[in-house]
Amino acid sequence: AQSVSQHNHHVILSEAASLELGCNYSYGGTVNLFWYVQYPGQHLQLLLKYFSGDPLVKGIKGFEAEFIKSKFSFNLRKPSVQWSDTAEYFCAVNARNTGKLIFGQGTTLQVKP
Amino acid sequence: ETGVTQSPTHLIKTRGQQVTLRCSSQSGHNTVSWYQQALGQGPQFIFQYYREEENGRGNFPPRFSGLQFPNYSSELNVNALELDDSALYLCASSTGAGPSSYEQYFGPGTRLTVT
Repeated sequence: AQSVSQHNHHVILSEAASLELGCNYSYGGTVNLFWYVQYPGQHLQLLLKYFSGDPLVKGIKGFEAEFIKSKFSFNLRKPSVQWSDTAEYFCAVNARNTGKLIFGQGTTLQVKP
Repeated sequence: ETGVTQSPTHLIKTRGQQVTLRCSSQSGHNTVSWYQQALGQGPQFIFQYYREEENGRGNFPPRFSGLQFPNYSSELNVNALELDDSALYLCASSTGAGPSSYEQYFGPGTRLTVT
């Protein structure tokens, strides 16, 4: 069965620090990969996605993620976080022959001003 | 462009009761997916509807059922509510065709509390 694992459950950083959130998935076939963000009091928003092509994808607000097929990973990065990046981040995967998204359990990011 | 909307925002029900949650998909989207998000967890897929037909189901019992209407809005029905059904229920819509069909847009959710 497909599953998604996010290694960090709660991350605390100071402003301007670099961020990397880990995400690994288990599925042997072709996948689509996503990172969603949920700001306090807001709904889930798509941060970035990978379907095919360049494994380094850029999303909104300066976020990027790298798909490493051999490691089944899709880690999220940002060179310099801001206080406004405080949110919950979810990695999600779907197999290309299904419509369902499999989510990780989420990482809560707290950025201190 | 109108985003995904859900109603009601909050709901309190008693164990054993039935509940109906509603979702209007984003303009131009014909596919609706429902997810359950328990506190501190990621969303879990319940089922998906495409052109009024169920198009995939997660590991949820039959008392979770759904409908999609010709205007692509959708309902999630849960019968015989249990305490563990307390969660945030999310609706997501997508285009249902091509690569973009895998990109889902989420509504704000309905917070269901079962007492």
